[in-house]
Amino acid sequence: AAGVIQSPRHLIKEKRETATLKCYPIPRHDTVYWYQQGPGQDPQFLISFYEKMQSDKGSIPDRFSAQQFSDYHSELNMSSLELGDSALYFCASALEGGTYEQYFGPGTRLTVT
Amino acid sequence: DQQVKQNSPSLSVQEGRISILNCDYTNSMFDYFLWYKKYPAEGPTFLISISSIKDKNEDGRFTVFLNKSAKHLSLHIVPSQPGDSAVYFCAATAVYQAGTALIFGKGTTLSVSS
Repeated sequence: AAGVIQSPRHLIKEKRETATLKCYPIPRHDTVYWYQQGPGQDPQFLISFYEKMQSDKGSIPDRFSAQQFSDYHSELNMSSLELGDSALYFCASALEGGTYEQYFGPGTRLTVT
Repeated sequence: DQQVKQNSPSLSVQEGRISILNCDYTNSMFDYFLWYKKYPAEGPTFLISISSIKDKNEDGRFTVFLNKSAKHLSLHIVPSQPGDSAVYFCAATAVYQAGTALIFGKGTTLSVSS
């Protein structure tokens, strides 16, 4: 079965640079979520989109922005990167009106040096 | 303030025995609960879920029990297998709109020895 695809899988950036993470949800899924997981931490919710509109917002820094496109893929844009942004970034997708489970991608490991 | 708590950071069990992972929550608005399994360098994998209108849900070797009055849920794995060794996250959500976030506990590392 098709899963959530994230790219790139690994990314190394320097402080103050920008990064763009991409997420391709499971086919027919209309809701996308972004989570950040620091070392030894639980995943922390950043932002979600349903039918291309922002749905819920968590602890996402103002330096970050995201959007969902007409094909339902989503991109997380991160600017003025800081050392503390180094983390695993997970995208998850779900089908609204389904059973509320979110299915996670393999993650993008971002390292800021 | 941690709304979903997994108070045991680790659990060790012998192969064939039962593994019981516990989770407590504080937010009365939560009405849907999920368990995820995570291996290093991979995304969380959905295991099993339960709605607040139920007190038990079973799927093969995995059973989740919900005690709403105690705000407590548990995941039972019977029989445990070495391949079950992973970090298990409890998650909760209040299903009132599309795109509502999952709130995760800090995880319990399960080690199953053969």
